[in-house]
Amino acid sequence: DTEVTQTPKHLVMGMTNKKSLKCEQHMGHRAMYWYKQKAKKPPELMFVYSYEKLSINESVPSRFSPECPNSSLLNLHLHALQPEDSALYLCASSQSGTIGETQYFGPGTRLLVL
Amino acid sequence: GIQVEQSPPDLILQEGANSTLRCNFSDSVNNLQWFHQNPWGQLINLFYIPSGTKQNGRLSATTVATERYSLLYISSSQTTDSGVYFCAVYSGAGSYQLTFGKGTKLSVIP
Repeated sequence: DTEVTQTPKHLVMGMTNKKSLKCEQHMGHRAMYWYKQKAKKPPELMFVYSYEKLSINESVPSRFSPECPNSSLLNLHLHALQPEDSALYLCASSQSGTIGETQYFGPGTRLLVL
Repeated sequence: GIQVEQSPPDLILQEGANSTLRCNFSDSVNNLQWFHQNPWGQLINLFYIPSGTKQNGRLSATTVATERYSLLYISSSQTTDSGVYFCAVYSGAGSYQLTFGKGTKLSVIP
């Protein structure tokens, strides 16, 4: 099973809402990633978890709060977002977080902030 | 920071044709990856190719690190090859920060 699942597929939220994105993998991978992709742009790395610990935070605003409850699950908590945060949010996983490992991506959550 | 340029930005092919996509980077790197994103947004890691040549079915990639470029070859293209192809390099030693190029949008028509 090389599948990474993400829920929900689509999300519309207001600027005062709190919502969460969920990502799950059952490949035994110990590294998980969040990327943000604006329309017609390449993905941008947001966070990296390695062995359930946050190892990379690419200067992401605090209105995005990641959480890794266990090695299979990665959440992204959203609060007080801005319309410019509307984007495709991609989750990925890899074996252990070593550079150059194959990353397996989920289908993404399309977020619209009104 | 490292600059990554991809060419061409757009490419339209007849099914069955071959193509070459290019990725130039501004500094010495020892880590380069190619990705494919289909029209529905699914991103797939195609190759990790810091140097040399790798092949996977109809796709192959070559990186000449000393000359700061990488090529992705697609042979006998199929409509399922459509989408955007990104190359990405790691910004520095031990860094997870991937610097992506802007991508090449490939459309394969029947």
